[in-house]
Amino acid sequence: AQSVTQLDSQVPVFEEAPVELRCNYSSSVSVYLFWYVQYPNQGLQLLLKYLSGSTLVKGINGFEAEFNKSQTSFHLRKPSVHISDTAEYFCAVIPLTGGFKTIFGAGTRLFVKA
Amino acid sequence: SQTIHQWPATLVQPVGSPLSLECTVEGTSNPNLYWYRQAAGRGLQLLFYSVGIGQISSEVPQNLSASRPQDRQFILSSKKLLLSDSGFYLCAWSVSGEDGYTFGSGTRLTVV
Repeated sequence: AQSVTQLDSQVPVFEEAPVELRCNYSSSVSVYLFWYVQYPNQGLQLLLKYLSGSTLVKGINGFEAEFNKSQTSFHLRKPSVHISDTAEYFCAVIPLTGGFKTIFGAGTRLFVKA
Repeated sequence: SQTIHQWPATLVQPVGSPLSLECTVEGTSNPNLYWYRQAAGRGLQLLFYSVGIGQISSEVPQNLSASRPQDRQFILSSKKLLLSDSGFYLCAWSVSGEDGYTFGSGTRLTVV
């Protein structure tokens, strides 16, 4: 079975400051890893994904994430946030074998302050 | 291009009334389809998924049901709504695990 833990439920940060949203996962099989963003009253939008290869992946809106296999982590980072980045962010995994259902973390609410 | 349509955007229904939410996908064939519910301030709860016409798997026992009458149409229904059915309902589709999910814009359901 797989599980995803987002270590922070809320992250307040000032505009133009860097931010890291933490995600750890547990799985007995290899997984694909994803980050999604949800703006208020909207559906989720794919930010970035890790399938294989380089452990540093870049996504939309200046976000990037680093896959660390030994620590089973996939933390999301942005060097300088904007007010418009205020949203909820979900980390997710999908197993390469044995299923096609995505397992989502509980979400991290990023609040960017002026 | 591939798009997903979900409607209505908002819905206010009295307790005990029926429900029908519809989701349609364009630009792809034989997608996997999903219904999620998001309660206020909480994460995503998978309700139903479907890998083909007429094939529905339920994840959570409840008074909701789902149907897939056509390849790209997924319907969430209830015969009698409960207060606890209030929430934000999201439809999503996928073809391969590598591409992740594409979500609809959601339906905000308030049961009063």
